[in-house]
This record gives sequence, structure tokens and C-alpha cells, in this order.
Amino acid sequence: DTGVSQDPRHKITKRGQNVTFRCDPISEHNRLYWYRQTLGQGPEFLTYFQNEAQLEKSRLLSDRFSAERPKGSFSTLEIQRTEQGDSAMYLCASSLLLADLGDEQFFGPGTRLTVL
Amino acid sequence: AQKITQTQPGMFVQEKEAVTLDCTYDTSDPSYGLFWYKQPSSGEMIFLIYQGSYDQQNATEGRYSLNFQKARKSANLVISASQLGDSAMYFCAMTVEGSYIPTFGRGTSLIVHP
Repeated sequence: DTGVSQDPRHKITKRGQNVTFRCDPISEHNRLYWYRQTLGQGPEFLTYFQNEAQLEKSRLLSDRFSAERPKGSFSTLEIQRTEQGDSAMYLCASSLLLADLGDEQFFGPGTRLTVL
Repeated sequence: AQKITQTQPGMFVQEKEAVTLDCTYDTSDPSYGLFWYKQPSSGEMIFLIYQGSYDQQNATEGRYSLNFQKARKSANLVISASQLGDSAMYFCAMTVEGSYIPTFGRGTSLIVHP
């Protein structure tokens, strides 16, 4: 396994269109996270899965955003009716339990979304 | 809620010198974990080092060490013998007990020059 992969790496879309991103985690990792990162900021948590269960969602995740992890393997993040403010890097990470107080997260290369 | 503050937007260091990147945190939870990640221009975040709040010794991983000062709520990253490939954004993050969701700081841009 070569690590976390994300597809596409870049996406340019027009405002109002729907987009879907895919994340393939490291195969033995049961936790999967989605983050959004804008220029000059650290990653902001969006949502988190343990196996196929979506355990937590950020308040940042409006009802236009939906994420799935149907078989506990890959995950998709869909944004409906995109807005210019959705332009950002979307990062996926999967994790290996490091200690009771946190995981070592392995990040993918990200999907850079530009909404025109 | 926890908060991470990285006050240095940019740092410069000469190759082979040591550099310290500052991180302060705020939480009321007595049990927490502190992390540092590196993000090169390619965009992929890379885990560097972890420190648990109850760990007695400062964490070290190769050229990276975490200077953990609990009373000051600081978790500075020290990179020894800087290399050109260390040029990147560096993010400090924390989790609290019962939540695996990290809170990240705004990052520090490190440039290593020859």
C-alpha cells in the first residue's frame, strides 16, 4: 500500500455545480477524516468515520456537504450547489491508533477545488 | 474548546543550524496529545512527532524534538541540523482525551537557505 490517495487532485467548477471527491485510505486503517484547508490556515476538521459509521461532523459542514464511506474502505465527499467560498484544498487522512490521546494521521495529497 | 497558537508566520534558518518553531496551546482538559506536522509545497501533511500530556520526557524523533513545557502550555518543535528539504509549512495540533479530532494552528513557514 502506497499511502492515502485522493482523486481528483484538482477540480475547477462553476458556481452552482455539484462536485464529488474520492479518498482511498491506507487499507488497514479504520478511521478516516476529511478536512478543509484555505490559504494561510491550518486544516479545519469537517467529518470523521470509524469504519462505515460517520461519528462526527463539524458545524462547518453545511447541508450542502455530504460524506459517505459505504463499505468502510474508500470515502466520498460531495458538495452540492458549490459556492465561491467552497474554494479550498480538501484533505483526507486515515489513522493508526498511536495512543489514547490521539492518532498518527496519514494524509493524502489533497484535492484543490476552485469554484468560478 | 482547545486552541493552538503559532505566532511565527515565517522563520528563516541557515542550513545545518538548529531552529525552534513555537507553539502554545490552551485547554481545560488535563489529558491531551500534541502533534507536529510538516506540509511541503506538494501539499501532503506529514506526521513528525507526538507528545502526550502525561509523558515525563520530551519526545524525540531523529532530528526532531518537542520541547514540552506543561506549566507554560508550550510545545515547541526543535529541528536540529536543518536541511534544505526541511523548507515547508509546519503545523502544531492537539487532541483531547475522548476525541481523536485535532485542532490545528495556523502554521509557520520555514525556509532553510544554504
